[in-house]
Amino acid sequence: DTEVTQTPKHLVMGMTNKKSLKCEQHMGHRAMYWYKQKAKKPPELMFVYSYEKLSINESVPSRFSPECPNSSLLNLHLHALQPEDSALYLCASSQDPATGGGVWDTDTQYFGPGTRLTVL
Amino acid sequence: RKEVEQDPGPFNVPEGATVAFNCTYSNSASQSFFWYRQDCRKEPKLLMSVYSSGNEDGRFTAQLNRASQYISLLIRDSKLSDSATYLCVVTGTSSGGSYIPTFGRGTSLIVHP
Repeated sequence: DTEVTQTPKHLVMGMTNKKSLKCEQHMGHRAMYWYKQKAKKPPELMFVYSYEKLSINESVPSRFSPECPNSSLLNLHLHALQPEDSALYLCASSQDPATGGGVWDTDTQYFGPGTRLTVL
Repeated sequence: RKEVEQDPGPFNVPEGATVAFNCTYSNSASQSFFWYRQDCRKEPKLLMSVYSSGNEDGRFTAQLNRASQYISLLIRDSKLSDSATYLCVVTGTSSGGSYIPTFGRGTSLIVHP
């Protein structure tokens, strides 16, 4: 089973709202990722969690706050977003974080279906 | 220069055709390579990992050329259902020294009857 689930599927929020996106995997994967994807663009990496610790933050604004409560769950807390933050937010997981060892299978990423976010 | 480059296309081919995509990468220390397929408004799905020796899965063949720093994807006997965007993913070092996956912008394939 290579399933990553995300909730909600769609989210509309105002610029003053606080909301959270959720991601879950039960594959025993130890790396989890948040991506942002705008229309007709590739996914852009936001955060990487490795063994439940934040290992990479790709200079993401503080209005996005990730959280990893346990090895199966990943949240993305949203606060004071801007309309330009409207996008598809994708969660992914891999067996291990990429370490440069060239062991392809363990850093293969599996994606959830995404949350389509609209900020009004 | 972008780290991972792909021709965005679209590649417009008839059913049954053979089509090939290339993806070049700039970081010679890159370690792992993948092709993903993404349908409109859906998430990326793994198509193939790309191994040093090349690999084949049915109608799909992937090759890695480390010397020239590119990977390729060959699709034989194209089907209508192959129409999608094909994303190249390369894992290499970031400025901070961590290994991160980087996506190419994707190549759009349209297979017509």
